[in-house]
Amino acid sequence: KAGVTQTPRYLIKTRGQQVTLSCSPISGHRSVSWYQQTPGQGLQFLFEYFSETQRNKGNFPGRFSGRQFSNSRSEMNVSTLELGDSALYLCASSRNTGSQETQYFGPGTRLLVL
Amino acid sequence: DAKTTQPPSMDCAEGRAANLPCNHSTISGNEYVYWYRQIHSQGPQYIIHGLKNNETNEMASLIITEDRKSSTLILPHATLRDTAVYYCIVRVDNQGGKLIFGQGTELSVKP
Repeated sequence: KAGVTQTPRYLIKTRGQQVTLSCSPISGHRSVSWYQQTPGQGLQFLFEYFSETQRNKGNFPGRFSGRQFSNSRSEMNVSTLELGDSALYLCASSRNTGSQETQYFGPGTRLLVL
Repeated sequence: DAKTTQPPSMDCAEGRAANLPCNHSTISGNEYVYWYRQIHSQGPQYIIHGLKNNETNEMASLIITEDRKSSTLILPHATLRDTAVYYCIVRVDNQGGKLIFGQGTELSVKP
């Protein structure tokens, strides 16, 4: 079974631009969560989508948004990029939502904002 | 905030067992303990999880104390490829898919 895939793997943007990252979950998984990883803050939860609805949201500004499609694929968008948005963005999928559901991570998208 | 405390770093000799401790003294009765590891710049890899009983799979064993306030991840025969940051996570029941990562333990397996 194929794992979680993320595209693109690497991205360079400049301040003020916007970016869209894509995540395809494992087949049959309906929950997708997004995380940001930086050297200073570590791994931080952004949001979770299940059945096209946002179920949980972390403490990030409104510039960070996401959505999920009917095939469970998910996208996250960051508008008006700042230098501090440079990070590894990870998505994880699980069959359902809930604390007993194991999440499996993709390889991440590394974003550099110049 | 993460509900777990882990040592920041540990060393282990190749071929020996690696025992990684985790304290979670405020864990509630229905909260699971999950372990993930992250090899440099890759996505975290799921290892194992448990609630009350000890668990074993092809990667590792998880020993949870009877009072559930701490646990130990055991890699029975560590190899150089096990060098990674290991995260112990307590899954809070009402937070759905949210994983709260602490700083983890950086395990270095040495020849």
